[in-house]
Amino acid sequence: QVQLQESGPGLVKPSQTVSLTCIVSGGSISSDFYFWSWIRQPAGKGLEWIGRINTSGSSNYNPSLKSRVTISVDTSKSQFSLQLRSVTAADTAVYYCARDVPDSSGWHFDYWGQGALVTVSS
Amino acid sequence: SYELTQPPSVSVSPGQTARITCSGDALPKEYGYWYQQKPGQAPVLVIYKDSERPSGIPERFSGSSSGTTVTLTISGVQAEDEADYYCQSADSNGIVVFGGGTKLTVL
Repeated sequence: QVQLQESGPGLVKPSQTVSLTCIVSGGSISSDFYFWSWIRQPAGKGLEWIGRINTSGSSNYNPSLKSRVTISVDTSKSQFSLQLRSVTAADTAVYYCARDVPDSSGWHFDYWGQGALVTVSS
Repeated sequence: SYELTQPPSVSVSPGQTARITCSGDALPKEYGYWYQQKPGQAPVLVIYKDSERPSGIPERFSGSSSGTTVTLTISGVQAEDEADYYCQSADSNGIVVFGGGTKLTVL
């Protein structure tokens, strides 16, 4: 059973960078088939996909966040990470990591972390 | 990227059938997926590739697709099915989109 666990600071000041890490256990992060994604959810609102990466370094991002986001992977530590730069209060949300599965005409998320709350406030 | 449109809320009585729709221009070409999210929990995949059900998901959950609309059907709704439901798809570039979510209330 694949498990994902997010970690990172719960509070970040405006204009700073949020850095979150997701540790993958119970399965190999190094499979070429799967990708690894970040998704966020502001309190009381819907889900927003941030971006994905695989262990070959192939990545793509939500166009609305692309200029501020970097996702990286470290197979030696079985983890992948999110950096979101120049944050504002609008970036306050629960951030989820998830395993991203490609289909013939689509993508879906079959395993999710429990989520990490990030609050942007001075 | 494009948008997926869901009704904000659906209400049903226990034992009845709930249907939640999701509309989007790319759905005739791209698969639709459904997630259930209960308060304070991460989303759980309940339907993938329009109509496939992951192992462990009760048979009362089913999905269908017609044109620009995918539909999640919950037959014989139980109190435990009360949750938010999100549809999800992707465009041809792999950019993922979620619907705004539907709150299912079991009366």
